[in-house]
Amino acid sequence: QVTLKESGPVLVKPRETLTLTCTVSGFSLSNSRMGVSWIRQPPGKALEWLAHIFSSDETSYSRSLKSRLTIYKDTSKSQVVLTMTNMDPVDTATYYCARSPDYYYHNSGYYPDAFDVWGQGTMVTVSS
Amino acid sequence: EIVLTQSPGTLSLSPGERATLSCRASQSVSSSFLAWYQQKPGQAPRLLIYGASRRATGIPDRFSGSGSGTDFSLTISRLEPDDFAVYYCQQHGSSPYTFGQGTKLQIK
Repeated sequence: QVTLKESGPVLVKPRETLTLTCTVSGFSLSNSRMGVSWIRQPPGKALEWLAHIFSSDETSYSRSLKSRLTIYKDTSKSQVVLTMTNMDPVDTATYYCARSPDYYYHNSGYYPDAFDVWGQGTMVTVSS
Repeated sequence: EIVLTQSPGTLSLSPGERATLSCRASQSVSSSFLAWYQQKPGQAPRLLIYGASRRATGIPDRFSGSGSGTDFSLTISRLEPDDFAVYYCQQHGSSPYTFGQGTKLQIK
């Protein structure tokens, strides 16, 4: 059974750095086709894609948040980590990780397949 | 950045009726990279449709997707009580991989 589980702090202070971990099971991050994305959802609002890491370790980021985000993986621990710097109350949200089971070459670039398995999400509140 | 606009924002229908949800893109999206997700309160999103028209594993055939270019739709042929939720479209063929703002399907 494929599962993803997010973990990290429930509360962070403004200007701090958030570190979230996505621990996967049922598949290997070293699989040549699979990738993982992070997506967030402020309370009562829509989903917002943040970052993706491909099996090759190539990464892709939200244009508006790129300067604040870093995504990387530790294959030996079956973990994908997202860091977000300079946290602000507007970053209060539920953060999800999700698996993409494949990728495709399209328009001179690589793009993930749809996100077929999601973690349960972890709620992060930014407040002093 | 490709902006996805979903309509209507809220759709009120009764069980047994047909629902049609729209997703319009600001630029052309390859059909291979258009997906639909269902989200119920307090739950993570669930993949319904990928490649614009392919049902994900375990998704009943009352759900169907169609469209190309900039106009896509999700149709639920006969609504069941469990189908009332929020639905999101997403494009993942151009970074950033954007989501629409969602359509809330509620019981009339």
